[in-house]
Amino acid sequence: GDSVTQMEGPVTLSEEAFLTINCTYTATGYPSLFWYVQYPGEGLQLLLKATKADDKGSNKGFEATYRKETTSFHLEKGSVQVSDSAVYFCALTLHNTDKLIFGTGTRLQVFP
Amino acid sequence: NAGVMQNPRHLVRRRGQEARLRCSPMKGHSHVYWYRQLPEEGLKFMVYLQKENIIDESGMPKERFSAEFPKEGPSILRIQQVVRGDSAAYFCASSGGLPTNEKLFFGSGTQLSVL
Repeated sequence: GDSVTQMEGPVTLSEEAFLTINCTYTATGYPSLFWYVQYPGEGLQLLLKATKADDKGSNKGFEATYRKETTSFHLEKGSVQVSDSAVYFCALTLHNTDKLIFGTGTRLQVFP
Repeated sequence: NAGVMQNPRHLVRRRGQEARLRCSPMKGHSHVYWYRQLPEEGLKFMVYLQKENIIDESGMPKERFSAEFPKEGPSILRIQQVVRGDSAAYFCASSGGLPTNEKLFFGSGTQLSVL
């Protein structure tokens, strides 16, 4: 079935370090891909998305590129801040559906 | 301009009791989705409702779970005769209509603990 696999956390980084959170997917058809972020005590927020192969989603310094050949959508940021500490979820939907399929989430902890 | 409101934030129940989780969608939203996050797992789709209608309940367990979204008032996820395996975080999301992907707003969740 359709699924999303993302790296286990926690990911612990110092401020200004480079971030990568890996995400791979399995899907029939051509999914849309998403990264959601959950800050402590809050609901999930859409961080960025990509709807077709080679698209790059970006927001708040975060980027992810839809790689069909490797079925991946890795999240990157060049210089993390303490305020980026949160749980990050990779997700997909299939064309013409509205159900999100989530990965297990990766907790990011950034220390000053 | 409140977002999606879920209550309670934390709910503790003993085995066999009933749990009622409430979700008030964003103002103007008529589509509600419920997701469940079990420990160490991702969020799993449970049910999709529009006002007074269940559109897709393919993710709902066959027994003990039900959901409604009445014409007036919040959406309710009801779990009868709770068991320890129901302990999880339950998230509600709302939207104004399809396509929903980029317009889906999530609540902060209800953490259900079954003793």
